[in-house]
Amino acid sequence: DTGVSQDPRHKITKRGQNVTFRCDPISEHNRLYWYRQTLGQGPEFLTYFQNEAQLEKSRLLSDRFSAERPKGSFSTLEIQRTEQGDSAMYLCASSLYSGSSNTGELFFGEGSRLTVL
Amino acid sequence: AQSVTQPDIHITVSEGASLELRCNYSYGATPYLFWYVQSPGQGLQLLLKYFSGDTLVQGIKGFEAEFKRSQSSFNLRKPSVHWSDAAEYFCAVAPYSSASKIIFGSGTRLSIRP
Repeated sequence: DTGVSQDPRHKITKRGQNVTFRCDPISEHNRLYWYRQTLGQGPEFLTYFQNEAQLEKSRLLSDRFSAERPKGSFSTLEIQRTEQGDSAMYLCASSLYSGSSNTGELFFGEGSRLTVL
Repeated sequence: AQSVTQPDIHITVSEGASLELRCNYSYGATPYLFWYVQSPGQGLQLLLKYFSGDTLVQGIKGFEAEFKRSQSSFNLRKPSVHWSDAAEYFCAVAPYSSASKIIFGSGTRLSIRP
């Protein structure tokens, strides 16, 4: 399977614990995005990378959230001191950005569901 | 700021009937426009996209959408729905120049009546 993969698919944790999600994008894609989706809502933009550079970060992303893409391939999203309000589906997507011929199409993984007790 | 409005939270149509899902966007220039579908337990899948040119765009699974600049709308249509079309549908918008940040609407849940 050469699509976007996310791990773990489901994480249950207690309030105050740290959690980390991993995303492996489509191999030739240089952009990687993180979104959060709660029940009955559309995906909410969190941050995105072009190669290893984090180009934009939502104001919704508190300082408890950090994302990295150290070698421009896979990415991790860490949530420190989790709160019940962090319970959501965390979606990763990737795309190929090539300047003049950019299509903007995102390819999504199946998501990592976080439940904070 | 960019925004996307999907005024219908839930729509139910009979199998074989036609479908139209509404989407309005707010953006200063003509943005990239998308429709994605999310089936239970599956990732979001692109149905179609509009960048420029012909305002009627064709997508996968028999869907089409029409861009109307005067109404800031990008409604999704299908002439005859199938039970397998039951899913959540999201309209999305991105800045024309870079498509850096795609903003999604809140979605419309489609149910199919047998």
